[in-house]
Amino acid sequence: EAGVAQSPRYKIIEKRQSVAFWCNPISGHATLYWYQQILGQGPKLLIQFQNNGVVDDSQLPKDRFSAERLKGVDSTLKIQPAKLEDSAVYLCASRHGQARTQDTQYFGPGTRLTVL
Amino acid sequence: DQQVKQNSPSLSVQEGRISILNCDYTNSMFDYFLWYKKYPAEGPTFLISISSIKDKNEDGRFTVFLNKSAKHLSLHIVPSQPGDSAVYFCAASGYNTNAGKSTFGDGTTLTVKP
Repeated sequence: EAGVAQSPRYKIIEKRQSVAFWCNPISGHATLYWYQQILGQGPKLLIQFQNNGVVDDSQLPKDRFSAERLKGVDSTLKIQPAKLEDSAVYLCASRHGQARTQDTQYFGPGTRLTVL
Repeated sequence: DQQVKQNSPSLSVQEGRISILNCDYTNSMFDYFLWYKKYPAEGPTFLISISSIKDKNEDGRFTVFLNKSAKHLSLHIVPSQPGDSAVYFCAASGYNTNAGKSTFGDGTTLTVKP
């Protein structure tokens, strides 16, 4: 079974530029998550999709971040314009079921973003 | 307000000895707890979980203990191996949150010395 795919793996941009990240979850996984992980901290949820609908985006800075999952499969996360404090690893994860015993999430390798 | 706390940023143990990683939570609605392991340049991978109806769950060298009254859980690794050196994240989810939303601690870096 192929894992969660993310691209690019690394990205360096200057502040005020735009950047986009792509994620392809494990086949058949209905739930997709985007996390931001700042160095020395745990993953912080940005947005959660169930199929192509948003379940939770309460922590997404909507003035600059946007995400979509149009066909309920892969997803893109965009930052426009980027700030220095956006430097972090952006993790995508997916989850198969909805039962509580299936709370396990499967993570991609992440995209390390550096904003100069 | 950090609802899941891992108060030890790092832990160093000798190969063959026991590693004990601790996690505290504040939200009494949390009822499912997970541990993830993360190697550099990789995403976290699931290690072991425990439901609040249990106080212990074991999987090979890994055992998670849950003390609901103290809102505390711990991960025991016995015996520790150099390949266990990684960052360990504690995560929690609750029945009053949307399905599958986990809150993560900041992680503990475990170093197992040969």
